[in-house]
Amino acid sequence: EVQLVESGGGLVQPGGSLRLSCAVSGFTVSTSYMSWVRQAPGKGLEWVSCIYSVGSTHYADSVKGRFTISRHNFKNTLYLQINSLGVEDTAVYFCARIYGASARTFYFDLWGQGTLVTVSS
Amino acid sequence: SYVLTQPPSVSVAPGRTARITCGGNNIGSKSVHWYQQKPGQAPVLVNYYDSDRRSGTPGRFSGSNSGNTATLTIIRVEAGDEADYYCQVWDPSGDPWVFGGGTKLTVL
Repeated sequence: EVQLVESGGGLVQPGGSLRLSCAVSGFTVSTSYMSWVRQAPGKGLEWVSCIYSVGSTHYADSVKGRFTISRHNFKNTLYLQINSLGVEDTAVYFCARIYGASARTFYFDLWGQGTLVTVSS
Repeated sequence: SYVLTQPPSVSVAPGRTARITCGGNNIGSKSVHWYQQKPGQAPVLVNYYDSDRRSGTPGRFSGSNSGNTATLTIIRVEAGDEADYYCQVWDPSGDPWVFGGGTKLTVL
């Protein structure tokens, strides 16, 4: 069965850090394109970061320099290290698999249930 | 950066047809994908490549894309279709994965 299970969210003070995890079963993270997408409370979806199978990484301008995406091949797990958190980073963070024949056709075919990050003093 | 515009809400009576639009500059040249999100749940892909239904998506869902507007059409709407719907494209001009603001479908 294919599953993506996020963890690591919680309450953190402004300026703090967290590491989010996405444990995957049913397919191999290292040979897939993977992404993080977030959703602020009551708001829409916002792409955050992605990592390609070759290891290249990309970030939204809003998180560049503060967030780091990585993976552990043996654990088949995706991570998102989030630093210098601000209240604007409060959101549910979803991990998702990217699929598509080419970049211009990429979409997210599998999603985890999300983990909530709350930034507040 | 590329912008996708969706109406905030669409209301439709059960059994009628709902059309959810997604506007963007020359969006017809892009591949549009649609997600359904029910309250408290993760998004679920329903349509991809403009008009392909994901396995498990009811045949009542269809998609089209031309000019500056893509449309997700749901015929014979049911109460279970009530959800937020998001369109998405890939565009390299800014943050590459772009979502529309979402449309809340209300079944009256």
